[in-house]
Amino acid sequence: DGGITQSPKYLFRKEGQNVTLSCEQNLNHDAMYWYRQDPGQGLRLIYYSQIVNDFQKGDIAEGYSVSREKKESFPLTVTSAQKNPTAFYLCASSIQDREQPQHFGDGTRLSIL
Amino acid sequence: DQQVKQNSPSLSVQEGRISILNCDYTNSMFDYFLWYKKYPAEGPTFLISISSIKDKNEDGRFTVFLNKSAKHLSLHIVPSQPGDSAVYFCAASGYNFNKFYFGSGTKLNVKP
Repeated sequence: DGGITQSPKYLFRKEGQNVTLSCEQNLNHDAMYWYRQDPGQGLRLIYYSQIVNDFQKGDIAEGYSVSREKKESFPLTVTSAQKNPTAFYLCASSIQDREQPQHFGDGTRLSIL
Repeated sequence: DQQVKQNSPSLSVQEGRISILNCDYTNSMFDYFLWYKKYPAEGPTFLISISSIKDKNEDGRFTVFLNKSAKHLSLHIVPSQPGDSAVYFCAASGYNFNKFYFGSGTKLNVKP
């Protein structure tokens, strides 16, 4: 059963702490994306990767970092430099065709303790 | 600078009637548009798309209309069902864009 798995579903971060959100897909998609959703706002792109070992900043990359060492995995680290990290984070993947929709995971809700 | 806008945060419709969700965009280079549906605490799921070479695309109860001159698209759901209650996002992309731009979403409530 192919899909995208995000973990954990809920995550709490202490001030000054880095946390890593996991995203794994078994859809054999080349492209992967991280979005942030805040109340009343659309999805804002944090980082994306179109191929292994390569990634680009999205619109709100400051305070975040990513890696793409494997096709299946695209973890997102929320660093202590991200001053307002409380949000719902969504990971997505797609084939390398801009006229194909992205498939989304069920998200991780990050909160500050 | 929001390039894709959904100006209605919420919409309430009676079961069986038509739901019309609207989306406006500003970038004339956009030529591919999608609608996603999202339930609480879940990721968005793809609903329907339209390319700029068309002005209408239908899939069952869902129809998307595109008015390129007005830079406007709409999603029609007929007939609306309570299970359609969710947040709907429109998204746009274009040639040489390697990402999608999302609107802020419209929360649809279909009343039984």
